[in-house]
Amino acid sequence: AQTVTQSQPEMSVQEAETVTLSCTYDTSESDYYLFWYKQPPSRQMILVIRQEAYKQQNATENRFSVNFQKAAKSFSLKISDSQLGDAAMYFCALEGTYKYIFGTGTRLKVLA
Amino acid sequence: DVKVTQSSRYLVKRTGEKVFLECVQDMDHENMFWYRQDPGLGLRLIYFSYDVKMKEKGDIPEGYSVSREKKERFSLILESASTNQTSMYLCASSLAPWSYNEQFFGPGTRLTVL
Repeated sequence: AQTVTQSQPEMSVQEAETVTLSCTYDTSESDYYLFWYKQPPSRQMILVIRQEAYKQQNATENRFSVNFQKAAKSFSLKISDSQLGDAAMYFCALEGTYKYIFGTGTRLKVLA
Repeated sequence: DVKVTQSSRYLVKRTGEKVFLECVQDMDHENMFWYRQDPGLGLRLIYFSYDVKMKEKGDIPEGYSVSREKKERFSLILESASTNQTSMYLCASSLAPWSYNEQFFGPGTRLTVL
């Protein structure tokens, strides 16, 4: 069975600091895709960043980057220079053939 | 911009009622999804469709059915609503299945079954 585990239900970060959200997954497929989505309070879910499993280079999008460790099946999200607008639920997701698996989410609080 | 719309933001129904949740996307996406979101459980896939009239069961299809008669519209049907189906329902679409393409989500429908 394919699974996605987010072990941190809630995290806090001081504004302008850096925070890392963890995600581990399990899949038997060799070709798959990993995503981080953000769900702000009462707003629609949007993509933060994505990674193709066959690419070793870690994806980066402005202040957001991932640490993809394929052998360890780990896909963590690092947010640098945290801003108040980063406060949201963050979901890690795995997409494989006929499979779309989301984690349980991490609620990120940003402290002013 | 891709827009995914859902017919209702809030819905209150009675046990045993037949419930229809409608979702429309305007970017000619092949893939459409229905998820339910519950606290502590994240998003769980109910059904998805990768082409018109094609559908696949997700992880929790029991008690639900779907219809996709047109490419842009994907409906979730609760044949006989029960209280354990009280939840937030999210619709999403993506350009093509099993790919690098991101999912675009609707605003969600919060369904309460009394």
